[in-house]
Order: sequence, then structure tokens, then C-alpha cells
Amino acid sequence: QKEVEQNSGPLSVPEGAIASLNCTYSDRGSQSFFWYRQYSGKSPELIMSIYSNGDKEDGRFTAQLNKASQYVSLLIRDSQPSDSATYLCAVKSGNDMRFGAGTRLTVKP
Amino acid sequence: GAVVSQHPSWVICKSGTSVKIECRSLDFQATTMFWYRQFPKQSLMLMATSNEGSKATYEQGVEKDKFLINHASLTLSTLTVTSAHPEDSSFYICSAKYLAQTDTQYFGPGTRLTVL
Repeated sequence: QKEVEQNSGPLSVPEGAIASLNCTYSDRGSQSFFWYRQYSGKSPELIMSIYSNGDKEDGRFTAQLNKASQYVSLLIRDSQPSDSATYLCAVKSGNDMRFGAGTRLTVKP
Repeated sequence: GAVVSQHPSWVICKSGTSVKIECRSLDFQATTMFWYRQFPKQSLMLMATSNEGSKATYEQGVEKDKFLINHASLTLSTLTVTSAHPEDSSFYICSAKYLAQTDTQYFGPGTRLTVL
């Protein structure tokens, strides 16, 4: 079974702090990695994709990928209350896209 | 770009009836669309992969005769829940691949189904 693991949280950070979200995956052959944000009662929206080892930055968001450790993370700088949501990690391996259970983030004003 | 719509956004139906949910890619052609189901406080569960002009590929444990999927055009896929029961009540979300050569999926807003 190809697994994508995330800490369910909740992760609570104060406004302005850095939120760090982590994800591990079991299939070493995985090639594509995605972070989605899902507000309560809404569908997921794509934040970032990453395909190569290292960091990828987009505004306040940085995705980090380490294929050797089978680990992908998402950093949110200057966290805002509007960032409070569930963050889903998705991993594509072969023809399958698998989602983690999500980490619930709360940013407190 | 890459906008996906779903209709209806919510539906309430009686047990035993059938419900059709539409998924449209508004500004791009999607050769592949996906149907997910999400129960409260749980993650997305892929139900099936829908390819335009061919039969859908269902995930293990998903009844193909109960969840009918039709992908008749490059911009429209439909999911019909036949003979719905209360345990089918869930949040149904479709997604579409923006470009055939990438893995990026864009999600529709979802359809909340309640079966009484």
C-alpha cells in the first residue's frame, strides 16, 4: 500500500510566525508532489507543486523536497489567520495520486 | 485559468432515487477527470478516473454499477449516484488535469449530497 502520512494536528501558530507542515511518503519512486489547502466545507485548492529535490518558493510559501528521506514539507512565512485551514499533501507515483489525511492549521491573531 | 465547476453545489434526495452531478472544465480541455469522495474530517478518497471517450477506471471497492461515470466530452464528466442510500451522503469533488502532460489537478467546488 502506497502511503502518504501527515500529522493530523491541529497545529497552532501565532500570527506572523512560520508554520511548518510535514509529509512523508512510502513509495520511493514517487515523482510529483503537491500541497493543497482546504478550507472547511470547501474543496482543495492547489498551493504548490514540486518535482525536484530542494526548495521551491512562491510568495509566503516554500515547499521543500527530500527524495532520499521521502519527505516533503511546506513552510508558511508570516502566517495569517486566513491561512487557517487543512493542508493536504498529495504524492503522484505511477498512475496513482494519493492524498494524506491533512494537517489542520490554526493561526491565532 | 484552470477553472473547474460542479453542479449542483448541494443536493438533498430521498433514499432510492438517483442523483447526477456534473463536472465541467470551463477554460480548458480535460482529457482526464477524477471523482473523489470525502467524509467529514477525513481525507479525499479517489473513486474513479474518467477519460474522455472511454470507460472510467474505478478504484477498488467502488461499485461501478452504483456510481456511473460518463465523460462524453473534453469539458464535461458526470457522476450519477444510482439508488442512493443514506450512507452515500458525502462531499463529492471532481478534479481535472489542466494539461495532459502534467500531474497537476484542479478541483471543482464540490457537491454535498444528503440522502434522507
